Amino acid sequence: DSGVTQTPKHLITATGQRVTLRCSPRSGDLSVYWYQQSLDQGLQFLIQYYNGEERAKGNILERFSAQQFPDLHSELNLSSLELGDSALYFCASSVETGGGYNEQFFGPGTRLTVL
Amino acid sequence: DAKTTQPPSMDCAEGRAANLPCNHSTISGNEYVYWYRQIHSQGPQYIIHGLKNNETNEMASLIITEDRKSSTLILPHATLRDTAVYYCIVRVGWGGSNYKLTFGKGTLLTVNP
Repeated sequence: DSGVTQTPKHLITATGQRVTLRCSPRSGDLSVYWYQQSLDQGLQFLIQYYNGEERAKGNILERFSAQQFPDLHSELNLSSLELGDSALYFCASSVETGGGYNEQFFGPGTRLTVL
Repeated sequence: DAKTTQPPSMDCAEGRAANLPCNHSTISGNEYVYWYRQIHSQGPQYIIHGLKNNETNEMASLIITEDRKSSTLILPHATLRDTAVYYCIVRVGWGGSNYKLTFGKGTLLTVNP
């Protein structure tokens, strides 16, 4: 158990719909990362938040957005869903003290299926 | 971040050492080598990281060549639970503001009974 929680575990929805994935980081971790894992693209970085502010963006579509709340939990919003958005979505957290490497702890993921 | 090259798959007998190679010939001076693994569809798990010295922890050992262009992850006594995809990642260790991990295809290690 990494200490990172993600809900829901599974999500099945239809094309065109909007969903929200939730992540609670480990206690004390200020940084949250979102990753997408699909069969054809592998594990890809989407976006990072640090203490409530967006810090970096990766290959995140404009239909996707995220935020980190004052209690440090984060939500990833996916809208106008397409079949190709079906994937595992992982959240990871780390301390990010800025003084060197801090390992990232990954949650169990949310499996999104778009029908 | 520097690119890494790993074999797509490897087999290992249970109880034997598993040696997973990684090439990172374009690594820069401030880039570390990190290893993560992912057991079927679970979240990736950190294993170990290093800069230029060999490192060991309770999970594995990391051997980095003197020129830092390649490294080997060693699982000293592989068990069936070590069957997973192992990712070698090269990334800045300090001085940055974004510590995202760039995953390649990794090596699927299969430990056989």
